[in-house]
Amino acid sequence: GAGVSQSPSNKVTEKGKDVELRCDPISGHTALYWYRQSLGQGLEFLIYFQGNSAPDKSGLPSDRFSAERTGGSVSTLTIQRTQQEDSAVYLCASSSHRDSGYTFGSGTRLTVV
Amino acid sequence: AQTVTQSQPEMSVQEAETVTLSCTYDTSESDYYLFWYKQPPSRQMILVIRQEAYKQQNATENRFSVNFQKAAKSFSLKISDSQLGDAAMYFCAYRSASYSGAGSYQLTFGKGTKLSVIP
Repeated sequence: GAGVSQSPSNKVTEKGKDVELRCDPISGHTALYWYRQSLGQGLEFLIYFQGNSAPDKSGLPSDRFSAERTGGSVSTLTIQRTQQEDSAVYLCASSSHRDSGYTFGSGTRLTVV
Repeated sequence: AQTVTQSQPEMSVQEAETVTLSCTYDTSESDYYLFWYKQPPSRQMILVIRQEAYKQQNATENRFSVNFQKAAKSFSLKISDSQLGDAAMYFCAYRSASYSGAGSYQLTFGKGTKLSVIP
């Protein structure tokens, strides 16, 4: 696609429910990143994919968070048993090679009530 | 671990004037990349300008330029002829240039500076 597409744009969920956030990167971009942006914490790195593998999962805050990428393209970030502290904007970015700036999507605003 | 500090939570500038946003960083590495991103209310992070640490020449993109002082670990952004559309959050970010293990390809962001442009 022309840009990085994320869905849904906004998601309100009840505490304890599972949610899936989707990222569709720019076609041909092999690297994909997930970040979380919250008021108190700024922008936090979550996970990095190169192709379908995730060499860096160091930012995932707990085992309730997981992510996968299939076909070297679409990625899904899953949060199980959501908590109120999970409320944030989740941003996805992709890049064509490791030394270029990233292209970000518009993010998913997650609100846990 | 690398850290990025933006000491100005908010700044304002008159339309058509020039403003400089500050950024300092801490690293023990010699080769890395620095970025400025703009985030308008639409939430999308837009790359404004990037700088390779091994290049002494300061990067420039139209009205945007940086003052990169490697020894001082300073990377400020200058916006000339400010326009209403420049109003946004601006984030400074750091990334290693060489892969040295888990975490080294991630961007490390500062807390951001909210820029307002006064008509």
